[in-house]
Amino acid sequence: GIQVEQSPPDLILQEGANSTLRCNFSDSVNNLQWFHQNPWGQLINLFYIPSGTKQNGRLSATTVATERYSLLYISSSQTTDSGVYFCAVVASGGYQKVTFGTGTKLQVIP
Amino acid sequence: ETGVTQTPRHLVMGMTNKKSLKCEQHLGHNAMYWYKQSAKKPLELMFVYNFKEQTENNSVPSRFSPECPNSSHLFLHLHTLQPEDSALYLCASSFQRDTEAFFGQGTRLTVV
Repeated sequence: GIQVEQSPPDLILQEGANSTLRCNFSDSVNNLQWFHQNPWGQLINLFYIPSGTKQNGRLSATTVATERYSLLYISSSQTTDSGVYFCAVVASGGYQKVTFGTGTKLQVIP
Repeated sequence: ETGVTQTPRHLVMGMTNKKSLKCEQHLGHNAMYWYKQSAKKPLELMFVYNFKEQTENNSVPSRFSPECPNSSHLFLHLHTLQPEDSALYLCASSFQRDTEAFFGQGTRLTVV
């Protein structure tokens, strides 16, 4: 099945700093989502982005499907951005199930 | 509020108990999912329902029994669980199978 790798696994930022999280996948995809898991466990949708670029406030994401990666940009980070960021993909070609990456754990310190 | 509601939020149960987790979505979606998230493991897809029909069971032990009476409700019935079943159980829904998914808040289950 498709492999999904996220980097870095852990990241500590000073409040106000910018960061880039990466998601690499081993095969072509139909769907790709970025999620933020808050400390209480809820997965919050950030972007549905199988290709192209989207922006939402301080967050933006770019997926380059032909090169099999996606990037999540966090600008002017805040302590509330802390948590785990996951990308999840659905591979192309017939029925494929959703595969989650192992996540990037982000800690933003004041 | 994502439109997907899970109850209870926390559950402690003994190995001989029977309990059920509930998931409800108000988004008009046709597909619903159960996921398991254990410590230090990726999210594991357990079951998929599409238009109330189970379309996927990822080798889940029979002590977990899903039920989908309609497209808005999904249950996970639990019986004779083991301590290693302690985890965060997440429900999700999407308009069509494997399109953009929205998650509930999760139920944190502890088996004692």
